[in-house]
Amino acid sequence: QSALTQPASVSGSPGQSITISCTGTSSDIGAYKYVSWYQKHPDKAPKLILYEVNNRPSGVPDRFSGSKSGNTASLVISGLQAEDEAEYYCISQTTGALVVGGGTRVTVL
Amino acid sequence: QVQLQESGPGLLKPSETLSLTCSVSGDSISRSNHFWGWIRQPPGKGLEWIGNIFYSVRTFYSPSLRGRVTMSIDASKNQFSLKLKSVTATDTAVYYCAREGSVGGTFDVWGQGTMVTVS
Repeated sequence: QSALTQPASVSGSPGQSITISCTGTSSDIGAYKYVSWYQKHPDKAPKLILYEVNNRPSGVPDRFSGSKSGNTASLVISGLQAEDEAEYYCISQTTGALVVGGGTRVTVL
Repeated sequence: QVQLQESGPGLLKPSETLSLTCSVSGDSISRSNHFWGWIRQPPGKGLEWIGNIFYSVRTFYSPSLRGRVTMSIDASKNQFSLKLKSVTATDTAVYYCAREGSVGGTFDVWGQGTMVTVS
């Protein structure tokens, strides 16, 4: 069971849009619609920002959106803000387990 | 408001057993339809899922830790626990407990995390 593949880092200027990919296999992302995304600031617990690919929990801005195609899920942050600078992780259901992405550091230039 | 709080020793020696407890308030582990999980983050590395438990009936463990990990629930105290045997320095991490929603991988409530060092 390998970790999901995410880019190590992504950067963008305030107001821009960025996309973070999360690539798995036909046994995890490709097989389930249960992909979630988490935002993690240093020394803070992760925060759920998307679940079931593209559903936002209450309180999460609509600047965060998600999609999935085949074995790859994507997180889009539109209108990038300074507070979005953090690490982002994807998690997918797989058979009898969960698999986590390696994490992506987002830098707001 | 649901809150989770981890507790347990912060320093272990190699080969010892890591034991952590997560105390839950604002929700009932025994009456909830939620799974309860543990996730860790080694220093400078990414998140790693350890396992989930559902009211002591079902448990799911990470394949990489299976054989060393055990999770359990104490419904009378509204707590769930993690035991990890034969720890090494690679088990040094911040350990989080979390509530999983009705959908796999959807951890909607997290504890603040507790640092465990193996040295």
